[in-house]
Amino acid sequence: GAGVSQTPSNKVTEKGKYVELRCDPISGHTALYWYRQSLGQGPEFLIYFQGTGAADDSGLPNDRFFAVRPEGSVSTLKIQRTERGDSAVYLCASSPGSGWRNEQFFGPGTRLTVL
Amino acid sequence: DQQVKQNSPSLSVQEGRISILNCDYTNSMFDYFLWYKKYPAEGPTFLISISSIKDKNEDGRFTVFLNKSAKHLSLHIVPSQPGDSAVYFCAASAETSGSRLTFGEGTQLTVNP
Repeated sequence: GAGVSQTPSNKVTEKGKYVELRCDPISGHTALYWYRQSLGQGPEFLIYFQGTGAADDSGLPNDRFFAVRPEGSVSTLKIQRTERGDSAVYLCASSPGSGWRNEQFFGPGTRLTVL
Repeated sequence: DQQVKQNSPSLSVQEGRISILNCDYTNSMFDYFLWYKKYPAEGPTFLISISSIKDKNEDGRFTVFLNKSAKHLSLHIVPSQPGDSAVYFCAASAETSGSRLTFGEGTQLTVNP
């Protein structure tokens, strides 16, 4: 079956612009996660959805970052007024349940470059 | 603060030998640990996990050991194969923190033929 997909695979934007990153989870997975991976670092948690609602958004760095999952499937991560420090690979993951012992399946990521 | 640390950025071993990747954590609330493997331009792929009630979990060539008193875990790969060359991430979760994973910085493993 299809895995987690993310679009676009690469996004180059200018400082101050708005960007949207999309994640299509594995069909039937109720939980969806966003992580950010900076160069030389491990993935860093941003936000987690259970169904349509954000169950934990404590990892979002500031109010320029927002994510939605209106129908409990596809999710969009939105970044306003992008800054050069936002440059990173944004990873999406999904899991069949919401427990802390659920394996998370990752997509290939979107590489965001802010010039 | 870095709650999960992988102090070795890289490791090089010969094919057929054992690879040992190490991970330390500081948060005593962590009770579930995972190893992920990542190839370039791909997302991390789950490899093996261990619950804090165990000290060892084995799956084929991969074994994870957990030392709770030392807050240390390790991944053993034996025998190592060239296809194992990848970045390996240690990750941890806690029931009290929900489903979020906290990752280490990763270790680049190179298995030489």
